[in-house]
Amino acid sequence: NAGVTQTPKFQVLKTGQSMTLQCAQDMNHNSMYWYRQDPGMGLRLIYYSASEGTTDKGEVPNGYNVSRLNKREFSLRLESAAPSQTSVYFCASRQGNSNQPQHFGDGTRLSIL
Amino acid sequence: AQKITQTQPGMFVQEKEAVTLDCTYDTSDQSYGLFWYKQPSSGEMIFLIYQGSYDEQNATEGRYSLNFQKARKSANLVISASQLGDSAMYFCAMREGGSYIPTFGRGTSLIVHP
Repeated sequence: NAGVTQTPKFQVLKTGQSMTLQCAQDMNHNSMYWYRQDPGMGLRLIYYSASEGTTDKGEVPNGYNVSRLNKREFSLRLESAAPSQTSVYFCASRQGNSNQPQHFGDGTRLSIL
Repeated sequence: AQKITQTQPGMFVQEKEAVTLDCTYDTSDQSYGLFWYKQPSSGEMIFLIYQGSYDEQNATEGRYSLNFQKARKSANLVISASQLGDSAMYFCAMREGGSYIPTFGRGTSLIVHP
C-alpha cells in the first residue's frame, strides 16, 4: 500500500547543478501535482498534470520543468539550481472527482548551497 | 487577495480540551470545497476532513468536525478532546468550481500541552 512515493528524501546541491525529483503513485489517479513548502508560506503549486500527457504551470513554475512520463510517474526537474529553490518539495495525486482529497508523498528536503 | 486565510499562526490547547482552528475563504463560485490537512513534525500531509459548498450538514470525522458558516465564508476545524498527537501544523485548502487545483492557506501550528 505505497500510495505516493518520492525519491530522494534528502538532497544537497551546489548552485548551478541540475536534479530530477521523482514521484510515483500506485492508486491509478489521473491528476498529479508538485508543490514547494517554505516556512510561513504554506504549499505553493509549481506544476500539475490533470491527466497523462498534459502538464500546466502553477503559481511558482520559474526554474522548474516537469514530465508526466506515464499515468504513474510525474518528475520535477531543476535545470540550474539556485539557493532560492531550497525548500521541501511535495508530490501529490488525486482521483478525478474534484471532491476527492489529494494524497501526498513524504516530501523531499532539498538544500542548495 | 488571499483565497484562504488562516489568521492564527500558533495555537495552544490543554490535553482533553477542544480547540477551533480558523479558516476563512474568498470565492465567487457557488460550487466549491474545503479541505483540512494535518502535517505532524515528521512532515507528511494527512487529509482530515472535507466540506462541500452544497453539503447541508457540517462534516464530521471522528474527533474532527468542520464548523461551516457559508454566509461568513468560514470553515473552521474543531478538534474535540485534544490529544498530544494532535500537535502539528494544520492547513486549510479550497478548490473552486470544477478545478483540479486546491489553494492552500499558510497553516496554523497547534501545540497540545499535557
